[in-house]
Amino acid sequence: DVKVTQSSRYLVKRTGEKVFLECVQDMDHENMFWYRQDPGLGLRLIYFSYDVKMKEKGDIPEGYSVSREKKERFSLILESASTNQTSMYLCASSLPGAGTSSYEQYFGPGTRLTVT
Amino acid sequence: GNSVTQMEGPVTLSEEAFLTINCTYTATGYPSLFWYVQYPGEGLQLLLKATKADDKGSNKGFEATYRKETTSFHLEKGSVQVSDSAVYFCALKDVGGTSYGKLTFGQGTILTVHP
Repeated sequence: DVKVTQSSRYLVKRTGEKVFLECVQDMDHENMFWYRQDPGLGLRLIYFSYDVKMKEKGDIPEGYSVSREKKERFSLILESASTNQTSMYLCASSLPGAGTSSYEQYFGPGTRLTVT
Repeated sequence: GNSVTQMEGPVTLSEEAFLTINCTYTATGYPSLFWYVQYPGEGLQLLLKATKADDKGSNKGFEATYRKETTSFHLEKGSVQVSDSAVYFCALKDVGGTSYGKLTFGQGTILTVHP
């Protein structure tokens, strides 16, 4: 059974703290993604990675960074957490492929982060 | 750029009612289209997909047809159950050579089914 796991389901942090969200997949997927989910806005892509040590900005990268030192692990870092980063964070992974390939993305259960 | 628009929610239905959730998209080329479902407290999971015009994706009684002429991918189910209560997301996948399979999501539609 394929699996994407995230380090925490719920997290509460203070403004200005450095926050690490961890994601691990066991499917040997090349691609990994970080999204944030907000009501009425759907999912918005923060960063993605298509290989170890490779990363690309998504649609809303400001205030975030990422790290991928091993193929199975993709970390999202909030350098200095702010209240507007309170959200649900979802990690996903997939096989590579553009064009007409339809490889699906597999999602973790999400981390609900509250910044106070 | 690419975009996906879903019908406004939330949608509330009685059990055994007919469901339609509208989805339209804007994209260059011929994207692949997906419906994902998120049950309470869980991540997203793929419900169905279609990769070319006139393809019909189906799963668990849900269906959606890729309509290029109307740039739509509406989700339908003939008879909903309480267990279908969830958030439904329409999404498209870039088909460009450097897209790396990124998905663009709609805003999500909350479905609640009452007994």
